[in-house]
Amino acid sequence: KNEVEQSPQNLTAQEGEFITINCSYSVGISALHWLQQHPGGGIVSLFMLSSGKKKHGRLIATINIQEKHSSLHITASHPRDSAVYICASFGNSGGSNYKLTFGKGTLLTVNP
Amino acid sequence: EPEVTQTPSHQVTQMGQEVILRCVPISNHLYFYWYRQILGQKVEFLVSFYNNEISEKSEIFDDQFSVERPDGSNFTLKIRSTKLEDSAMYFCASDRGARQPQHFGDGTRLSIL
Repeated sequence: KNEVEQSPQNLTAQEGEFITINCSYSVGISALHWLQQHPGGGIVSLFMLSSGKKKHGRLIATINIQEKHSSLHITASHPRDSAVYICASFGNSGGSNYKLTFGKGTLLTVNP
Repeated sequence: EPEVTQTPSHQVTQMGQEVILRCVPISNHLYFYWYRQILGQKVEFLVSFYNNEISEKSEIFDDQFSVERPDGSNFTLKIRSTKLEDSAMYFCASDRGARQPQHFGDGTRLSIL
């Protein structure tokens, strides 16, 4: 059974700081999702990656398949980045599609 | 950009009643999912659906639950005889195929009284 662990659980930063959120998983996966959940509850997909690195604006996601570890970085953080960041792994369920296994999330608060 | 829509946004129901949560996935997506998130806990997989049948379900998805795609656009989750512990946020998601990003709706907050 795949377990997804995130750290830290809570993170408070000052505007402009560089943020790193870590995610590790216990078994081999085919890909990893980084998601953002705002206080209202809605979930938005940020990245899906299976190797290397992806960048979108101030967000960068990396994954090391051998070490079963991924990181999400936010450069020049801003109060509007405040949200819960969740990593979720795609595991091959043996069926024709893939379910997500979620971490508990990291609550990020960026103060002005 | 097309999005997954869920209705209602909030549903309040008496314990023991049946509820139906509705989702309209993105139109060219093939795989559909329901997840739930109990307050303060992580999101959990309930069920996946492909080609008009369930392709996988979790232990949570027992006989109390059922899913249906009645008309080619809606995807519904029915919960029969609701219990207090069914109170949660329920998310619908869809994607185009294996290893494609899943797109989530905004969720339905279900409150069982």
